[in-house]
Parts: sequence; C-alpha cells; structure tokens
Amino acid sequence: GDSVTQMEGPVTLSEEAFLTINCTYTATGYPSLFWYVQYPGEGLQLLLKATKADDKGSNKGFEATYRKETTSFHLEKGSVQVSDSAVYFCALWDFASKLTFGTGTRLQVTL
Amino acid sequence: ETGVTQTPRHLVMGMTNKKSLKCEQHLGHNAMYWYKQSAKKPLELMFVYSLEERVENNSVPSRFSPECPNSSHLFLHLHTLQPEDSALYLCASSQEVNANTGELFFGEGSRLTVL
Repeated sequence: GDSVTQMEGPVTLSEEAFLTINCTYTATGYPSLFWYVQYPGEGLQLLLKATKADDKGSNKGFEATYRKETTSFHLEKGSVQVSDSAVYFCALWDFASKLTFGTGTRLQVTL
Repeated sequence: ETGVTQTPRHLVMGMTNKKSLKCEQHLGHNAMYWYKQSAKKPLELMFVYSLEERVENNSVPSRFSPECPNSSHLFLHLHTLQPEDSALYLCASSQEVNANTGELFFGEGSRLTVL
C-alpha cells in the first residue's frame, strides 16, 4: 500500500537558518503530494501541494518540488522564523481517494 | 463560527465511562472524517462519511462508534476505552470524498486521556 516516510525530529534550528525536511513516498500511479502544518494547540492546515511530477508547491516562503525519479517531496525554507515552530506532515493523495500521512516532523526554531 | 470546531478540547475518562466527541463544520462540505493522532505514528484514518453515509471504516474497534446525523455534524461515541486509546482525535472535512484535491480542513482536536 501507499506510505510516506519523513525524517525523524525534532529539528532544532536558529532563526534565519535554512530548513530542509525530507519526505519520500511509495505509491502506485501518480499521487498528489502535500505538506500540512500543525501549529501548537491547533489542527492541521494545508501548507502547499503539488499534483504532478516537477511541479513546485510554495506558500509562506516554504517550497517543495515533486520529484518522481526519487519519489521525494522535500520541504525547504531559506530563512526560518520562530513562528515557523510547528509539526510538519508530508502526505499523498491517491486515486482511491485516500490521504496517507507521514509521522510528522517537529521543528523548533530558537532565537 | 468558521471552519471546523471540536468539543471538548480535553477529555479525561475512566475505562468504564461513556463519553462523546463532537465535531461541527461550517464550510458547507459533504465529507467528514475522524483521525487518530498518536505520538510518532502516522495519522490514522478511522472513519469517513459522505453525505451522512459511512463510506470507510478502517478496522476500528467497536468501542469507537461514529454518528453523522447530518452533513455538518459528526460524533464519536466512546465506551469502555483502553489506556492505549489516549490520543488526539482530529475531525476534518472536505468538499467531497472523491474530490481530486486531497485538501482536508481540520479541527483543533480533542485530547483524550483514558485512565
């Protein structure tokens, strides 16, 4: 079945550092890929998405590129802020209409 | 009220209690979901409803009983739970179950502790 693998956290960075959170997936066909973010005390919310190979999703300074050849969708941000501290979930949606999530990666940004 | 709201936000119950979690969505969506979020595990899809009909039940123990009286409300009735059921229970909604977007709108969750 489908699966999503994320790097284990927590990831601790200083403000203005470069962020990469790795995500790889296993799926049949051509799924759509997503990053969701969960801020403390809140539910998950969609951060960005990409629906086909080589698409780049972007939002709030975050970016991720759909790489079919490496089955990856790594999340990047050039300069993180304290307000980016949250748990980030990689997910895929297949044509069985099922959204499969990874385990989540906690990001902690310090001053 | 906007979005997806869940009550209560926190719940502590004994193993013999009966309680319910409530979810309400104000987005006009037709599909609603219950997810279980446990530490270091992927989100687990528990139940899916489309227009008040259950369309998916992922081998969830019978001590969890969902109810969807209309497309805006979803309940999760809890009975004779185990300590390992302690988790954050998330409700979500989407326009349709089969919509080709994969975008869900989540509530803030109900943190359940079973003693």
